[in-house]
Amino acid sequence: AQKITQTQPGMFVQEKEAVTLDCTYDTSDPSYGLFWYKQPSSGEMIFLIYQGSYDQQNATEGRYSLNFQKARKSANLVISASQLGDSAMYFCAMREGNSGNTPLVFGKGTRFSVIA
Amino acid sequence: GAVVSQHPSWVICKSGTSVKIECRSLDFQATTMFWYRQFPKQSLMLMATSNEGSKATYEQGVEKDKFLINHASLTLSTLTVTSAHPEDSSFYICSARRPSPFSGANVLTFGAGSRLTVL
Repeated sequence: AQKITQTQPGMFVQEKEAVTLDCTYDTSDPSYGLFWYKQPSSGEMIFLIYQGSYDQQNATEGRYSLNFQKARKSANLVISASQLGDSAMYFCAMREGNSGNTPLVFGKGTRFSVIA
Repeated sequence: GAVVSQHPSWVICKSGTSVKIECRSLDFQATTMFWYRQFPKQSLMLMATSNEGSKATYEQGVEKDKFLINHASLTLSTLTVTSAHPEDSSFYICSARRPSPFSGANVLTFGAGSRLTVL
């Protein structure tokens, strides 16, 4: 079964609009972490935001916020005031447990495009 | 800080040759590094977990004799694609856990990736 599901192959918005990129996850481990990474065409993976399973508040990092709904097992990324430079692939990922030696499992990604 | 350097960025080789890709943590020590592979328009798939001073742990379906991983020091892991074939052409990307004041995050920092093309 898929551990990370991103149902939107592609999304596009106009500049300055907000967008929500969907992510649902599946785990039976009570301790886990959820991550969002951005991958521009250059290929590098850029860390955006992290949410721990025990965190009481939704994570925020500048224009990025994570809408964490634990009961629904969803961790949607919200990007406010989109900019042209936000156009990239966005991957949701999960780490089960809280060990630093556990790898991330990635979703299939969403291609996000911002149009002028 | 917390930079992971990966080299080479691009490599083209003939079928049957071997290619070595290096992954270095520049300003921190990484006892564990992870190697991922990404085919065009697909997600990152974990290939193996590289452990300093011990054997790598390979994911199911990844040939350990074909993808040799060596983690000889706390700052260097190498991936060698042996007897490469066109189907091995892919984007290989390494990652390491960077130190974080929020220990629960255990954020992975990624190298810039290595694009391998086997002719």
